[in-house]
Amino acid sequence: AQSVTQPDIHITVSEGASLELRCNYSYGATPYLFWYVQSPGQGLQLLLKYFSGDTLVQGIKGFEAEFKRSQSSFNLRKPSVHWSDAAEYFCAVGVAGNQFYFGTGTSLTVIP
Amino acid sequence: GAVVSQHPSWVICKSGTSVKIECRSLDFQATTMFWYRQFPKQSLMLMATSNEGSKATYEQGVEKDKFLINHASLTLSTLTVTSAHPEDSSFYICSASGVPLGYEQYFGPGTRLTVT
Repeated sequence: AQSVTQPDIHITVSEGASLELRCNYSYGATPYLFWYVQSPGQGLQLLLKYFSGDTLVQGIKGFEAEFKRSQSSFNLRKPSVHWSDAAEYFCAVGVAGNQFYFGTGTSLTVIP
Repeated sequence: GAVVSQHPSWVICKSGTSVKIECRSLDFQATTMFWYRQFPKQSLMLMATSNEGSKATYEQGVEKDKFLINHASLTLSTLTVTSAHPEDSSFYICSASGVPLGYEQYFGPGTRLTVT
Protein backbone atom coordinates (compact mmCIF):
# COMPACT_ATOMS: atom_id res chain seq x y z
CA ALA A 1 0.00 0.00 0.00
CA GLN A 2 1.09 3.51 -0.62
CA SER A 3 2.29 5.64 2.26
CA VAL A 4 4.19 8.81 2.93
CA THR A 5 6.51 9.32 5.87
CA GLN A 6 7.78 12.61 7.17
CA PRO A 7 10.17 11.60 9.94
CA ASP A 8 10.50 15.04 11.49
CA ILE A 9 7.43 16.20 13.35
CA HIS A 10 8.93 19.53 14.26
CA ILE A 11 12.01 21.42 13.11
CA THR A 12 13.44 24.68 14.42
CA VAL A 13 15.93 26.69 12.38
CA SER A 14 17.44 30.12 12.65
CA GLU A 15 16.51 32.72 10.12
CA GLY A 16 19.01 32.65 7.29
CA ALA A 17 20.00 29.06 7.90
CA SER A 18 19.46 26.30 5.39
CA LEU A 19 16.56 23.91 5.64
CA GLU A 20 15.88 20.34 4.62
CA LEU A 21 12.59 18.58 5.26
CA ARG A 22 12.54 14.86 4.70
CA CYS A 23 9.94 12.83 2.89
CA ASN A 24 9.94 9.13 2.11
CA TYR A 25 7.25 7.33 0.18
CA SER A 26 6.15 3.82 -0.53
CA TYR A 27 4.48 3.21 -3.86
CA GLY A 28 4.77 0.47 -6.41
CA ALA A 29 4.88 2.61 -9.50
CA THR A 30 6.47 5.91 -10.45
CA PRO A 31 4.86 8.42 -8.14
CA TYR A 32 3.70 11.92 -8.60
CA LEU A 33 5.17 13.86 -5.69
CA PHE A 34 4.17 17.15 -4.16
CA TRP A 35 5.11 19.49 -1.38
CA TYR A 36 2.48 21.76 0.14
CA VAL A 37 2.69 24.44 2.81
CA GLN A 38 -0.09 25.30 5.23
CA SER A 39 -0.25 28.38 7.41
CA PRO A 40 -2.39 28.20 10.57
CA GLY A 41 -6.09 28.05 9.80
CA GLN A 42 -5.46 28.09 6.06
CA GLY A 43 -5.67 25.70 3.18
CA LEU A 44 -2.70 24.19 1.41
CA GLN A 45 -0.51 25.97 -1.08
CA LEU A 46 1.43 24.01 -3.66
CA LEU A 47 5.18 24.62 -3.37
CA LEU A 48 6.39 22.28 -6.08
CA LYS A 49 5.73 19.02 -7.81
CA TYR A 50 7.53 16.19 -9.55
CA PHE A 51 5.96 14.20 -12.34
CA SER A 52 8.92 13.09 -14.44
CA GLY A 53 12.15 14.32 -15.99
CA ASP A 54 14.71 16.35 -14.09
CA THR A 55 14.86 15.01 -10.56
CA LEU A 56 15.67 18.41 -9.07
CA VAL A 57 12.59 20.58 -9.19
CA GLN A 58 12.27 24.23 -8.38
CA GLY A 59 9.26 25.67 -6.67
CA ILE A 60 7.93 28.91 -5.36
CA LYS A 61 9.38 30.95 -2.52
CA GLY A 62 12.90 29.69 -3.20
CA PHE A 63 12.17 26.04 -2.39
CA GLU A 64 13.51 23.08 -4.29
CA ALA A 65 13.17 19.33 -3.94
CA GLU A 66 15.09 16.36 -5.23
CA PHE A 67 13.54 13.05 -6.22
CA LYS A 68 15.77 10.08 -5.44
CA ARG A 69 14.22 6.90 -6.68
CA SER A 70 16.83 4.67 -5.05
CA GLN A 71 16.02 6.12 -1.66
CA SER A 72 12.28 6.60 -2.27
CA SER A 73 12.73 10.15 -1.09
CA PHE A 74 11.61 13.60 -2.10
CA ASN A 75 13.28 16.00 0.33
CA LEU A 76 12.47 19.68 0.37
CA ARG A 77 15.25 22.23 0.69
CA LYS A 78 15.75 25.95 0.98
CA PRO A 79 19.18 27.58 1.21
CA SER A 80 18.16 30.47 3.45
CA VAL A 81 15.03 30.41 5.56
CA HIS A 82 12.92 33.51 6.17
CA TRP A 83 10.72 34.10 9.20
CA SER A 84 7.69 33.95 6.93
CA ASP A 85 8.49 30.33 6.10
CA ALA A 86 7.26 29.22 9.51
CA ALA A 87 4.34 26.90 8.74
CA GLU A 88 3.32 23.28 8.40
CA TYR A 89 4.76 21.40 5.45
CA PHE A 90 3.16 18.36 3.89
CA CYS A 91 4.59 15.91 1.42
CA ALA A 92 2.09 14.06 -0.77
CA VAL A 93 2.07 11.20 -3.22
CA GLY A 94 -0.40 11.17 -6.08
CA VAL A 95 -1.61 7.79 -7.24
CA ALA A 96 -4.00 6.48 -9.85
CA GLY A 97 -7.34 8.19 -9.86
CA ASN A 98 -5.86 11.51 -8.77
CA GLN A 99 -5.91 10.45 -5.15
CA PHE A 100 -3.35 12.02 -2.89
CA TYR A 101 -1.82 10.53 0.23
CA PHE A 102 -0.30 12.96 2.65
CA GLY A 103 2.47 12.62 5.17
CA THR A 104 1.83 13.63 8.75
CA GLY A 105 3.47 16.98 8.24
CA THR A 106 6.49 18.81 9.58
CA SER A 107 6.02 21.94 11.63
CA LEU A 108 8.70 24.53 10.98
CA THR A 109 9.62 27.18 13.53
CA VAL A 110 11.99 29.96 12.51
CA ILE A 111 13.85 31.80 15.24
CA PRO A 112 15.35 35.24 14.71
CA GLY B 1 -5.11 31.04 -11.71
CA ALA B 2 -6.37 27.80 -10.14
CA VAL B 3 -8.27 29.35 -7.28
CA VAL B 4 -10.57 27.31 -5.08
CA SER B 5 -12.89 28.97 -2.60
CA GLN B 6 -14.84 27.58 0.31
CA HIS B 7 -17.83 28.97 2.09
CA PRO B 8 -18.28 29.49 4.92
CA SER B 9 -14.78 29.85 6.34
CA TRP B 10 -16.11 28.96 9.74
CA VAL B 11 -19.45 27.82 11.11
CA ILE B 12 -20.90 26.98 14.49
CA CYS B 13 -23.96 24.79 14.66
CA LYS B 14 -25.95 23.01 17.30
CA SER B 15 -25.84 19.28 17.76
CA GLY B 16 -28.44 17.54 15.62
CA THR B 17 -28.58 20.16 12.90
CA SER B 18 -27.12 19.95 9.41
CA VAL B 19 -24.60 22.24 7.84
CA LYS B 20 -23.57 22.67 4.22
CA ILE B 21 -20.10 23.65 3.04
CA GLU B 22 -19.53 24.86 -0.50
CA CYS B 23 -16.41 24.43 -2.57
CA ARG B 24 -16.02 26.36 -5.80
CA SER B 25 -13.41 26.44 -8.51
CA LEU B 26 -13.25 30.03 -9.63
CA ASP B 27 -11.20 29.96 -12.81
CA PHE B 28 -11.14 26.40 -14.06
CA GLN B 29 -13.41 23.43 -14.60
CA ALA B 30 -13.15 21.04 -11.69
CA THR B 31 -13.87 17.62 -13.09
CA THR B 32 -12.84 16.06 -9.79
CA MET B 33 -13.18 17.42 -6.30
CA PHE B 34 -11.89 15.99 -3.07
CA TRP B 35 -12.98 16.49 0.50
CA TYR B 36 -10.53 16.18 3.36
CA ARG B 37 -10.81 16.37 7.08
CA GLN B 38 -8.00 17.64 9.26
CA PHE B 39 -7.77 17.33 13.01
CA PRO B 40 -5.58 19.76 14.97
CA LYS B 41 -1.89 19.20 14.43
CA GLN B 42 -2.59 16.28 12.13
CA SER B 43 -2.46 15.53 8.46
CA LEU B 44 -5.27 15.59 5.96
CA MET B 45 -7.53 12.58 5.77
CA LEU B 46 -9.26 12.02 2.46
CA MET B 47 -12.98 11.59 3.01
CA ALA B 48 -14.31 11.26 -0.50
CA THR B 49 -13.69 11.88 -4.17
CA SER B 50 -16.36 13.24 -6.44
CA ASN B 51 -16.52 13.53 -10.18
CA GLU B 52 -18.90 15.99 -11.76
CA GLY B 53 -22.25 14.39 -12.38
CA SER B 54 -21.41 11.16 -10.56
CA LYS B 55 -21.87 9.83 -7.09
CA ALA B 56 -19.01 10.43 -4.71
CA THR B 57 -16.62 7.66 -3.79
CA TYR B 58 -16.11 7.52 -0.05
CA GLU B 59 -13.03 6.31 1.74
CA GLN B 60 -13.33 3.38 4.08
CA GLY B 61 -14.76 4.37 7.42
CA VAL B 62 -16.47 7.54 6.19
CA GLU B 63 -20.24 7.46 6.61
CA LYS B 64 -21.80 8.41 3.31
CA ASP B 65 -25.18 9.06 4.90
CA LYS B 66 -23.64 11.48 7.32
CA PHE B 67 -21.37 13.32 4.94
CA LEU B 68 -23.40 14.00 1.82
CA ILE B 69 -21.40 15.16 -1.15
CA ASN B 70 -22.86 16.65 -4.29
CA HIS B 71 -20.87 17.67 -7.35
CA ALA B 72 -23.57 18.95 -9.61
CA SER B 73 -21.51 21.26 -11.78
CA LEU B 74 -17.96 21.73 -12.98
CA THR B 75 -17.43 24.56 -10.53
CA LEU B 76 -19.29 23.56 -7.40
CA SER B 77 -19.23 20.74 -4.90
CA THR B 78 -20.99 20.70 -1.57
CA LEU B 79 -20.44 18.75 1.61
CA THR B 80 -23.39 18.48 3.97
CA VAL B 81 -22.76 17.24 7.46
CA THR B 82 -26.08 15.80 8.57
CA SER B 83 -27.22 15.52 12.17
CA ALA B 84 -23.94 16.98 13.32
CA HIS B 85 -22.41 15.97 16.62
CA PRO B 86 -19.51 17.48 18.57
CA GLU B 87 -17.17 14.78 17.27
CA ASP B 88 -17.78 16.13 13.76
CA SER B 89 -16.06 19.35 14.76
CA SER B 90 -13.04 19.65 12.54
CA PHE B 91 -11.34 21.56 9.73
CA TYR B 92 -12.76 20.52 6.37
CA ILE B 93 -10.75 21.24 3.24
CA CYS B 94 -11.74 20.72 -0.35
CA SER B 95 -9.49 20.47 -3.36
CA ALA B 96 -10.09 20.33 -7.06
CA SER B 97 -8.42 19.13 -10.20
CA GLY B 98 -9.52 19.33 -13.78
CA VAL B 99 -9.23 21.31 -16.95
CA PRO B 100 -6.63 22.58 -17.68
CA LEU B 101 -4.82 21.61 -14.48
CA GLY B 102 -4.46 17.94 -15.20
CA TYR B 103 -3.18 15.92 -12.29
CA GLU B 104 -2.57 18.69 -9.77
CA GLN B 105 -4.93 19.45 -6.94
CA TYR B 106 -5.59 22.95 -5.73
CA PHE B 107 -6.92 23.46 -2.27
CA GLY B 108 -9.52 25.69 -0.79
CA PRO B 109 -8.83 27.69 2.37
CA GLY B 110 -10.80 25.31 4.55
CA THR B 111 -13.89 25.51 6.74
CA ARG B 112 -13.74 25.31 10.50
CA LEU B 113 -16.82 23.51 11.82
CA THR B 114 -17.67 23.63 15.49
CA VAL B 115 -20.63 21.64 16.75
CA THR B 116 -21.93 22.64 20.17
